Amino acid sequence: AQTVTQSQPEMSVQEAETVTLSCTYDTSENNYYLFWYKQPPSRQMILVIRQEAYKQQNATENRFSVNFQKAAKSFSLKISDSQLGDTAMYFCAHGGGSQGNLIFGKGTKLSVKP
Amino acid sequence: DAGITQSPRYKITETGRQVTLMCHQTWSHSYMFWYRQDLGHGLRLIYYSAAADITDKGEVPDGYVVSRSKTENFPLTLESATRSQTSVYFCASSFSGGPNTGELFFGEGSRLTVL
Repeated sequence: AQTVTQSQPEMSVQEAETVTLSCTYDTSENNYYLFWYKQPPSRQMILVIRQEAYKQQNATENRFSVNFQKAAKSFSLKISDSQLGDTAMYFCAHGGGSQGNLIFGKGTKLSVKP
Repeated sequence: DAGITQSPRYKITETGRQVTLMCHQTWSHSYMFWYRQDLGHGLRLIYYSAAADITDKGEVPDGYVVSRSKTENFPLTLESATRSQTSVYFCASSFSGGPNTGELFFGEGSRLTVL
């Protein structure tokens, strides 16, 4: 079965600091997508960043970047210069579901402290 | 406005009642999904649809029914609600599916409480 594991249920970081959220996954596919979604208290699911498995270069979106290690099946998210608005639940997801769906981890609750 | 909308946003019902959560998307995406979100479980797939009139079960389908007579609508029905179905429900859509599933676009979620 394809799975996504987020080993950190909760994390906290000081404003302006850098934090890294971990994610590992299991798949037998060779080509797939990986995602990080953010869910603030508003409950809306917001795409943060996407990585295509066949691309070796790590994806970057402003203050958000990933460390994608395909052989290790690891996909961590780094948030630089953390802001109070980054406080949210973060979900790692793998686009390899047999039904065409995304498979989600259980989430990491990130708190940014002033 | 284009997008994916869910209704109702909040619903309180009683055990045994039938409840339908609505989902409508304006992108003409082929794939649509229903997830439920529970603390400690993340998001789990209930049902999905690859196209109009094509639906199939996900990870946690028991107690739920779906239909998709039109591409843009994908309602989820709880035929006889139980307390264990208290949850936040998300509808989502995507242009593609299969092993190369791209981004999912989510609705705002429907919080359902079953008393």
